[in-house]
Amino acid sequence: NAGVTQTPKFQVLKTGQSMTLQCAQDMNHEYMSWYRQDPGMGLRLIHYSVGAGITDQGEVPNGYNVSRSTTEDFPLRLLSAAPSQTSVYFCASSYQGGHTEAFFGQGTRLTVV
Amino acid sequence: AQSVTQLDSHVSVSEGTPVLLRCNYSSSYSPSLFWYVQHPNKGLQLLLKYTSAATLVKGINGFEAEFKKSETSFHLTKPSAHMSDAAEYFCVVSDGDNYGQNFVFGPGTRLSVLP
Repeated sequence: NAGVTQTPKFQVLKTGQSMTLQCAQDMNHEYMSWYRQDPGMGLRLIHYSVGAGITDQGEVPNGYNVSRSTTEDFPLRLLSAAPSQTSVYFCASSYQGGHTEAFFGQGTRLTVV
Repeated sequence: AQSVTQLDSHVSVSEGTPVLLRCNYSSSYSPSLFWYVQHPNKGLQLLLKYTSAATLVKGINGFEAEFKKSETSFHLTKPSAHMSDAAEYFCVVSDGDNYGQNFVFGPGTRLSVLP
């Protein structure tokens, strides 16, 4: 079972560059989300989607875009990378959100120089 | 708004001794509560979850947690620590009513296990 797959695992960007972090799940989950993890702050929600064609902002959305054209995929786009976006990014999916558990990908470690 | 407090940023125990990782939460609704574990450079794995059934929840690898509504706590325990338990542990609260803010994470507790 693949579960939630994120690519790439590591990435170094220069300030101002753009890139897309990929996330795919094979569990037919409606709910998908992106988090960033910074030391001492836990995980913070960036964007989420409750189904194909529906996305919304989380706690820290600035500088990021998302789209959800299929149930399986939920890419995260960095429009113009900044050093403050250096972080570890996790994609998650869950069956309904809320009271069901979330399944996480292995993470993408992003460094912006 | 929901929030989670993990009272210790770092806990150190000796192998074979009990583990206690503390978590207090704030939620306006009937919450679900989760504990996730993250081993170094790995993703997050669910340890256990409380979703309004039994208040004492058993999880994987010998961990358990007790939901205490009166104390708004959900502390994680294990009778005997193993070296493989060394990891970061996150307490998570979800009220499920605001669909976009389902999971609120605590800042994490790093568990060290000494030989």
